[in-house]
Amino acid sequence: DAKTTQPPSMDCAEGRAANLPCNHSTISGNEYVYWYRQIHSQGPQYIIHGLKNNETNEMASLIITEDRKSSTLILPHATLRDTAVYYCIVRSLDTGTASKLTFGTGTRLQVTL
Amino acid sequence: DTEVTQTPKHLVMGMTNKKSLKCEQHMGHRAMYWYKQKAKKPPELMFVYSYEKLSINESVPSRFSPECPNSSLLNLHLHALQPEDSALYLCASSRRPSDEKLFFGSGTQLSVL
Repeated sequence: DAKTTQPPSMDCAEGRAANLPCNHSTISGNEYVYWYRQIHSQGPQYIIHGLKNNETNEMASLIITEDRKSSTLILPHATLRDTAVYYCIVRSLDTGTASKLTFGTGTRLQVTL
Repeated sequence: DTEVTQTPKHLVMGMTNKKSLKCEQHMGHRAMYWYKQKAKKPPELMFVYSYEKLSINESVPSRFSPECPNSSLLNLHLHALQPEDSALYLCASSRRPSDEKLFFGSGTQLSVL
């Protein structure tokens, strides 16, 4: 699976958009980009995933560049409850094997008043 | 019900004790996972069960023994642990083994004395 690179930490003011970048320059054509987050003292939570088109759900938007070498997770109006570690993970969709979701070090997002 | 329930939430055990961690889901998911997370580190995959059969063991020491009695339950039996095994143990499930959208429980915080 392709390796990902994320900044170790970011700050965001409450109510503003939080834009979390992820580099995955070695991504291959059949690999998806997944985002999870982990709020303190909780298990990781799935946020969103995409292949090449931009995706949006009730939690966030995912913008993937045309060459697919990087992506950005956007939380449109960050709140204090969005303070968490955000993980960007690249995985191929291989229906023949069990998931081996591997977490990198992630980005620690601190939302402040 | 979209929850993965883990019990106990906290566990303190001695190096000669035998204890078990329990995980339960009622979402009809057919894959279940154990992850281990040390403080300030990302979760690390330990075991994967696909359709109640062990499909992945990430070279975990034999003092950790997983068990999947049925499609809703996952246990992790602990015996003769070391202090360095102290960590947060996370259980997760997914609809199918190849599904990368995992649902995590809140974990069991284990301390080995």
